[in-house]
Amino acid sequence: GAVVSQHPSWVICKSGTSVKIECRSLDFQATTMFWYRQFPKQSLMLMATSNEGSKATYEQGVEKDKFLINHASLTLSTLTVTSAHPEDSSFYICSAQRVDTGELFFGEGSRLTVL
Amino acid sequence: AQSVTQPDIHITVSEGASLELRCNYSYGATPYLFWYVQSPGQGLQLLLKYFSGDTLVQGIKGFEAEFKRSQSSFNLRKPSVHWSDAAEYFCAVGAGNAGNMLTFGGGTRLMVKP
Repeated sequence: GAVVSQHPSWVICKSGTSVKIECRSLDFQATTMFWYRQFPKQSLMLMATSNEGSKATYEQGVEKDKFLINHASLTLSTLTVTSAHPEDSSFYICSAQRVDTGELFFGEGSRLTVL
Repeated sequence: AQSVTQPDIHITVSEGASLELRCNYSYGATPYLFWYVQSPGQGLQLLLKYFSGDTLVQGIKGFEAEFKRSQSSFNLRKPSVHWSDAAEYFCAVGAGNAGNMLTFGGGTRLMVKP
């Protein structure tokens, strides 16, 4: 089946640093990818829609300068958490929409801990 | 805007017993509806989805769900639960292109007693 890989699966960083999380569709092309955030024991909240070759569309309340999204190819979208703070600690999950079938596949998630 | 409610935060069932997880949605048009399962620290796996047609949808791992427009519900069922079914279950309604912009419910944590 189709696979979506996220890297790193977990990362610990110091407050004030920036962290990049990759979302990669391994065996299919995805013009659209979605980024979600999940707090402990809570549901997933859509942060933004990432479109290949264009600017991401952010949901209301999500700071675009804080969460930079780049979708430079049909198989890769990146989320960069800039100047991270402890409140940015969360589980970030991406999903990729397959170009040929429209099916959606989720990554394994990336856990960010900001000290 | 669409919304999803999963009334039960936790459910505990005995292994072999039947299961029903409730999901109610609010959406202005015909909804795309999904059920996902998440194991601890993992991503999401699609159990089943409803786009149109037969309102009883069969999924993987023996799960099924029934779309009831009159009740705005999409409850998930399984006739006999296995210990490996213990996980977090999320109902979602989709909007946008192919219904892939998902709004998730709060989730239901399923625990299975031996």
